[in-house]
Amino acid sequence: ETGVTQTPRHLVMGMTNKKSLKCEQHLGHNAMYWYKQSAKKPLELMFVYSLEERVENNSVPSRFSPECPNSSHLFLHLHTLQPEDSALYLCASSQDAGAAFFGQGTRLTVV
Amino acid sequence: GNSVTQMEGPVTLSEEAFLTINCTYTATGYPSLFWYVQYPGEGLQLLLKATKADDKGSNKGFEATYRKETTSFHLEKGSVQVSDSAVYFCALSPRFSGGYNKLIFGAGTRLAVHP
Repeated sequence: ETGVTQTPRHLVMGMTNKKSLKCEQHLGHNAMYWYKQSAKKPLELMFVYSLEERVENNSVPSRFSPECPNSSHLFLHLHTLQPEDSALYLCASSQDAGAAFFGQGTRLTVV
Repeated sequence: GNSVTQMEGPVTLSEEAFLTINCTYTATGYPSLFWYVQYPGEGLQLLLKATKADDKGSNKGFEATYRKETTSFHLEKGSVQVSDSAVYFCALSPRFSGGYNKLIFGAGTRLAVHP
């Protein structure tokens, strides 16, 4: 098993759909993260969960809703997205402020 | 504020050439510094890190030294291979007591190595 696993790898959704991205980490870490990677922008930190509590929300629109049910799992619930939300969404985990380990990402296309 | 500046790519090299990718940073205090690599269609992989001034991170023939005086963390490799073709990201994590990291990334530098 890889350290951080994301599913699905690819997702195409309409603007009126609701979908969820899933992330699971097998490293025993206590912090988990969602990042967005767009073609024309640097990697952007979206959300941080530390000890299962949301500690960072970097001005992300409410159409993105994270959920962290336990220390190993992280979800990103999506609804009424816009075409400009098409991007690679990366999940990561770390132990405290140590190095972050990333999953392979979900390539999202909003049509 | 905190920021990372990387040299613009693409960087195109022949196999066995010497590689340098420049990275400078702006930060309050003394951040931790990282290099990540992203192969096509993949997520980011941690390549190396340094947590204090004068530390040298190294992995797979790549090296970078934390230079406080020049606020730099340049990535080097003595002899690149075709398999090193990827996008390289420099990143910092500011020191604070929140118990998690807050990575700030540079824009990335694409490296293409030809046989």
